[in-house]
Amino acid sequence: AQKITQTQPGMFVQEKEAVTLDCTYDTSDPSYGLFWYKQPSSGEMIFLIYQGSYDQQNATEGRYSLNFQKARKSANLVISASQLGDSAMYFCAMRGHNFNKFYFGSGTKLNVKP
Amino acid sequence: NAGVTQTPKFRVLKTGQSMTLLCAQDMNHEYMYWYRQDPGMGLRLIHYSVGEGTTAKGEVPDGYNVSRLKKQNFLLGLESAAPSQTSVYFCASGSGGANTEAFFGQGTRLTVV
Repeated sequence: AQKITQTQPGMFVQEKEAVTLDCTYDTSDPSYGLFWYKQPSSGEMIFLIYQGSYDQQNATEGRYSLNFQKARKSANLVISASQLGDSAMYFCAMRGHNFNKFYFGSGTKLNVKP
Repeated sequence: NAGVTQTPKFRVLKTGQSMTLLCAQDMNHEYMYWYRQDPGMGLRLIHYSVGEGTTAKGEVPDGYNVSRLKKQNFLLGLESAAPSQTSVYFCASGSGGANTEAFFGQGTRLTVV
């Protein structure tokens, strides 16, 4: 069974500091992808970053990086130099190779303080 | 550049009424998904489709039906709405493979009273 776990319901970070949002997963698929999405208060789902299970290097996209530790089955999102606009809900997701379904965690609500 | 469009954006239903949510994508994606989002529970998969004319159950399919008669459209039906179906519904689409992201619609906020 596929499962995504986000253990931090809410987090605070000071503006301009870095923050790590945790994500662990469970899957029996040999090949899978890990994704992070941002959901601001307006409600839309915004894709941030992707990591493939066979990728040797951690993914980076601007201020976002993914700390991928395959043996520990974790895919934490690191946001550097937090901005007020980063305040949002963040979802970790996994897509297996079979059936191509996306599984989502319960989300982490990030609040950036000025 | 429309992407994924959901109709309607908001709806209030009375218990027992029926309705259909429409999802349309213009990216020629094979895969389409319906999720519901409830506080503290993330997004849960209701039904999905791997191509035109196909549908399959997700994690929480009870009380919902779907159809994919055309590749670009994925319809979600509520036959007899219940207050437990009050939620935000998201449609998403994607191409095949584990390495491509899902593209989401803007969501439909449904309230069943």
